[in-house]
Amino acid sequence: QQQVKQSPQSLIVQKGGIPIINCAYENTAFDYFPWYQQFPGKGPALLIAIRPDVSEKKEGRFTISFNKSAKQFSLHIMDSQPGDSATYFCAAGFGGATNKLIFGTGTLLAVQP
Amino acid sequence: DTAVSQTPKYLVTQMGNDKSIKCEQNLGHDTMYWYKQDSKKFLKIMFSYNNKELIINETVPNRFSPKSPDKAHLNLHINSLELGDSAVYFCASSPHTGDSGANVLTFGAGSRLTVL
Repeated sequence: QQQVKQSPQSLIVQKGGIPIINCAYENTAFDYFPWYQQFPGKGPALLIAIRPDVSEKKEGRFTISFNKSAKQFSLHIMDSQPGDSATYFCAAGFGGATNKLIFGTGTLLAVQP
Repeated sequence: DTAVSQTPKYLVTQMGNDKSIKCEQNLGHDTMYWYKQDSKKFLKIMFSYNNKELIINETVPNRFSPKSPDKAHLNLHINSLELGDSAVYFCASSPHTGDSGANVLTFGAGSRLTVL
């Protein structure tokens, strides 16, 4: 019940394309859904996050779409650039005494020039 | 300058040895974590400490022992290393407010452990 399922495992798009990465969860107690971006040899870094009380959040070229009833959320990258090539992780978390994030399995994105 | 720093960055050792990874954060955060990233990039939480107190201990072999001498430091000691321990270990920290949305994790650059 604490799993977060992420797809696809890998994705190749052309520069300017719009890659979409999808995640699904089971535990309705999750109340925070961030996306992390990881470049080779680096630790993951927060990219964008959403709460379940909104259906969409946009920051620059990155947009999260959230469907509470379906327990799904997705990351869209507009006008993708080669510099966006990285591994993307969705995650789900809940607060309280034991704050913790459950990460998805990651999506390796390659944006070709 | 580095917010979360961990050492060493690379560690190559023989099976059966004992090794430690150190982590320090200068962000003033209350909570620190250890995550393990396997060869398939899967990130799994191992431990979490809040103000030196253990608050999360996932199903991790007791060969792994975290130690937090103060809230800015969280070290990981591994006894009797096994081949399956080969992975990248990430230290992270976050403020601890009880509000999940405020608990942004800041990760270190990782320590790649290779057990031969």
